[in-house]
Amino acid sequence: NAGVTQTPKFQVLKTGQSMTLQCAQDMNHEYMSWYRQDPGMGLRLIHYSVGAGITDQGEVPNGYNVSRSTTEDFPLRLLSAAPSQTSVYFCASSKGIAASSYNEQFFGPGTRLTVL
Amino acid sequence: GQQVMQIPQYQHVQEGEDFTTYCNSSTTLSNIQWYKQRPGGHPVFLIQLVKSGEVKKQKRLTFQFGEAKKNSSLHITATQTTDVGTYFCAGPTNAGKSTFGDGTTLTVKP
Repeated sequence: NAGVTQTPKFQVLKTGQSMTLQCAQDMNHEYMSWYRQDPGMGLRLIHYSVGAGITDQGEVPNGYNVSRSTTEDFPLRLLSAAPSQTSVYFCASSKGIAASSYNEQFFGPGTRLTVL
Repeated sequence: GQQVMQIPQYQHVQEGEDFTTYCNSSTTLSNIQWYKQRPGGHPVFLIQLVKSGEVKKQKRLTFQFGEAKKNSSLHITATQTTDVGTYFCAGPTNAGKSTFGDGTTLTVKP
């Protein structure tokens, strides 16, 4: 099993450009999440999904869109990149929701994004 | 909203010294998880605690969940250079999402 994979690993964008960060998992997990990590600020939840066709907002959703057409894939779209979106982005998946007994989150290797 | 606070933010220790990080929630948690992130890496799950007053050990690491299920701690005995990294706690919110503390970054001087 590859676990959780993310592409690209690094990306530089200009302000106003759009792009999609890819995330895929091969563990048949229902629950998937996107986090951003800024220095000294831990992990902040952007969007999450409890299953195919279902998505919801996290703490910092503005400027990002997600969709979940399959169990495996959960892409994150930046609509119009801004310097404030410079960050490291992690995708994670788990078997169950946060309050369940099966909520160990498996993280991808991350995408390091710089917006100029 | 619901918050999970972690202290200290940074801890520098000499190799062989002990280390403890604390996690406090504003509300009662159904469970709490701990993750470790090595420099330049991604968070990796360490353990989950569910029961009030629960204590679990993994070699030199001891995890505790408070009686009121609002706080938790991670204690490392006799730190080694391989313990370097940032340790996060995470708990579920009432809405079913995960919320992470800001982490404690541990550096170990050989």
